[in-house]
Amino acid sequence: QLQLQESGPGLVRPSETLSLTCTVSGASISSSSYYWGWIRQPPGKGLEWIGSMHYNGRTYFNPSLKSRVTISVDSSKNQFSLKVSSVTAADTAVYHCATDLKFSGSTIFDYWGQGTLVTVSS
Amino acid sequence: SYVLTQPPSVSVAPGKTARITCGGNNIGSQNVHWYQQKPGQAPILVINFDSDRPSGIPERFSGSNSGNTATLTISRVEAGDEADYYCQVWDSSSDHAVFGGGTQLTVL
Repeated sequence: QLQLQESGPGLVRPSETLSLTCTVSGASISSSSYYWGWIRQPPGKGLEWIGSMHYNGRTYFNPSLKSRVTISVDSSKNQFSLKVSSVTAADTAVYHCATDLKFSGSTIFDYWGQGTLVTVSS
Repeated sequence: SYVLTQPPSVSVAPGKTARITCGGNNIGSQNVHWYQQKPGQAPILVINFDSDRPSGIPERFSGSNSGNTATLTISRVEAGDEADYYCQVWDSSSDHAVFGGGTQLTVL
């Protein structure tokens, strides 16, 4: 069974860089089947897709966040990571990692991590 | 960019049928996926490609998509169906995923 687990600091200061890691078990991150994605949810609000990356380097990003977001894959650790630079209070959210299955011109997020709350505050 | 519009809330009595809509410009030409999220939990996929149910999802969950509206239908609603539901598409014109704002389903 494919499982994902997020990890990283729960508190980040304004203007700094948020960094999270997602550890994948039950599947190889080098699998050609999946992209590896990040989705966030501000407290009490809806889901917002951040971006996704394939192990071959192909990436897609939410246009509203693209200038501040980096996603990378570490196949040796079976992990992928998210960095969001120049954070503000608006970046406070639960951050989920998820599998991004691209099929027939669409995208399905079929496995999700439980999520980790990141608060941006001084 | 592409916008998906959902009603903020839907209420239904146990045993009745709940219908949650997702509106978008010519959404009938898109593949729509639906997620269920209970408080404090990660979302789970309940319908993909408009009307397909992933393994383990009860037959009570169904979907349709035509024109400018996609619909998630939950038959014989149970208390355990109380959750937030989100629709999602892939906007191929700009290559990014879009979620609707979510609908809170309340079982009366």
